[in-house]
Amino acid sequence: ILNVEQSPQSLHVQEGDSTNFTCSFPSSNFYALHWYRWETAKSPEALFVMTLNGDEKKKGRISATLNTKEGYSYLYIKGSQPEDSATYLCAFLEYGNKLVFGAGTILRVKS
Amino acid sequence: SQTIHQWPATLVQPVGSPLSLECTVEGTSNPNLYWYRQAAGRGLQLLFYSVGIGQISSEVPQNLSASRPQDRQFILSSKKLLLSDSGFYLCALRILYGYTFGSGTRLTVV
Repeated sequence: ILNVEQSPQSLHVQEGDSTNFTCSFPSSNFYALHWYRWETAKSPEALFVMTLNGDEKKKGRISATLNTKEGYSYLYIKGSQPEDSATYLCAFLEYGNKLVFGAGTILRVKS
Repeated sequence: SQTIHQWPATLVQPVGSPLSLECTVEGTSNPNLYWYRQAAGRGLQLLFYSVGIGQISSEVPQNLSASRPQDRQFILSSKKLLLSDSGFYLCALRILYGYTFGSGTRLTVV
């Protein structure tokens, strides 16, 4: 059974704080690592799809890094805003078709 | 471009009743399709995936089944719903490295 772990489970920060989350995944059969922003009862919104060791991607105030050899990825949010409040999911795409999600990190940003 | 349609958006069903959730895709052929579920307080769990007509892989033992009667149609079913089947169900389509998700179905079993 594939194990994708995310930490922390939840995070409460003040507006303007910078935050980071961790995703760990198996280092074998790696195909891609996905990050999603998710509001409950809605479709997950794709943030990044990362495929190469050492990848760094950025979208506005959000960025992510990838280390496939040791099996981890970090997601960073710079200057958090209340509208960043959501659950952030990482998902491991195994070579051979399956996308397996972590349990997510719940972010709450207070104004 | 590829699109994915999922219905209904919400459903309230009594315990013991049957279930059928449908997912259809447009703009692609021979897609890989997936059913995920979020149970209360938990992340997204992969239930079934299909790489072609009639080909279904089940990830977890449960009260549900899936079928792929046509290339662009993926159906999630149950003969008799349990209370524990309540949750938010998402259909997904794989496009190369990325996934596109349907709008989801909120199922409440009462």
